[in-house]
Amino acid sequence: EAQVTQNPRYLITVTGKKLTVTCSQNMNHEYMSWYRQDPGLGLRQIYYSMNVEVTDKGDVPEGYKVSRKEKRNFPLILESPSPNQTSLYFCASSQTMNTEAFFGQGTRLTVV
Amino acid sequence: AQSVSQHNHHVILSEAASLELGCNYSYGGTVNLFWYVQYPGQHLQLLLKYFSGDPLVKGIKGFEAEFIKSKFSFNLRKPSVQWSDTAEYFCAVNALRTGRRALTFGSGTRLQVQP
Repeated sequence: EAQVTQNPRYLITVTGKKLTVTCSQNMNHEYMSWYRQDPGLGLRQIYYSMNVEVTDKGDVPEGYKVSRKEKRNFPLILESPSPNQTSLYFCASSQTMNTEAFFGQGTRLTVV
Repeated sequence: AQSVSQHNHHVILSEAASLELGCNYSYGGTVNLFWYVQYPGQHLQLLLKYFSGDPLVKGIKGFEAEFIKSKFSFNLRKPSVQWSDTAEYFCAVNALRTGRRALTFGSGTRLQVQP
């Protein structure tokens, strides 16, 4: 079954404690991206990757890092989380940046 | 910068009522257009998409959308909503040949269908 898998689904952490949210897709897609969803703001792109070892900033990259060492995986790293990063995070993949995106189930992150 | 506007933030309808959700975007060039739906507690799923051709696009679950280039609009419609259509709906635009490598999403419309 074609899918995008994120882990964990829920995470509560403290300010400053590094964390990683994993994302994996099994569709051999080249393009992957991370979004955060906040009430009234829709989805905003954090980072994206056009292919292995090719990543770039989206609209709201501050406080986040990513890596793309393999085609299927695109982890999101918060080196020093802060409360304003409390949000719902979605990973997405697509064959190219111009085609339909497939979304993961989401990760609800709370930073206290 | 391109933007996507969804003017209806919260819509409440009774079952069998007709639905139209507005979506307007700001980019004047070639675009790919999408509507995604997010059911409570779930991830986003594609409802329908427009890349080219017939501007009236039919999607899943009886939804359709019409691309009107002159109005920069891509409104979502359904003739008769069901309680199971309760969800949040997002319009998204990909502006081609701009160098922007991302979908731009609207802020979403929360639809509540009352039985």
